[in-house]
Amino acid sequence: AQSVAQPEDQVNVAEGNPLTVKCTYSVSGNPYLFWYVQYPNRGLQFLLKYITGDNLVKGSYGFEAEFNKSQTSFHLKKPSALVSDSALYFCAVRDPSGGSYIPTFGRGTSLIVHP
Amino acid sequence: KAGVTQTPRYLIKTRGQQVTLSCSPISGHRSVSWYQQTPGQGLQFLFEYFSETQRNKGNFPGRFSGRQFSNSRSEMNVSTLELGDSALYLCASSLDWPDTQYFGPGTRLTVL
Repeated sequence: AQSVAQPEDQVNVAEGNPLTVKCTYSVSGNPYLFWYVQYPNRGLQFLLKYITGDNLVKGSYGFEAEFNKSQTSFHLKKPSALVSDSALYFCAVRDPSGGSYIPTFGRGTSLIVHP
Repeated sequence: KAGVTQTPRYLIKTRGQQVTLSCSPISGHRSVSWYQQTPGQGLQFLFEYFSETQRNKGNFPGRFSGRQFSNSRSEMNVSTLELGDSALYLCASSLDWPDTQYFGPGTRLTVL
C-alpha cells in the first residue's frame, strides 16, 4: 500500500529566509508526486508535480521540489519565504503500478512565515 | 477559464438526513473526483467519474454515492448522515485520470 509522511505538523520561518517542507513516501512502483497548498476556507491549489525526468521540479509562486529516489523524499523548497506563503501544504503520491492511481495525501504541514 | 465550482459552500444537516452536493468542473475537464477532508482522517479519496461512469472508488461505505452528467457536472450524495460525516467535501477536476487535478473551494457539511 502506498503512503505519504509529512513529519512536521508546523514549520516556522522568517520572511526572506529559505523554507523547506518535508515529504517522504512509500510506493511499490514509480511514484507520481504532487504538492498542493490550501489557504483557510479554500480548496487545494496545485503547486507542482513530479512524474518523470529532471529530479528538480519548478512550480508555481517560486516553489520547487526535489525528487530523491534513494531517500524516497520529495521536499518542497523556496529560496525566499513570503508572509503570504503562510498556509497548509499537502504532499500527495499516486502509485501507477496497481493501475488505479488513487492519490494518498499526507496529513499536511502548516507553514508560518513571520514578518 | 473559470475554476471548479461547488455548491452549496456551507450546509447544516441533522443525523439521519441525506444531502446532495454539486460540482461543476473546469470547462473541458471530463474527470471529476471527490474527497473528504477531516481533522482526524485528513484528505481521503471518495470516488472518480469520467464520462458518466465511476472508474475509481475509495474505501467509503455505500452511503456515499455519486453521479456524473453528460456535461461533466457531478453530484455527490450521502444518505443517512452520521455525526462523523461532518467534513469539508472537495471536488477536483482534470482532463483525464491521472492528470493534474484542480480543486474547488469545497462544501463544508456539518451534521448535528
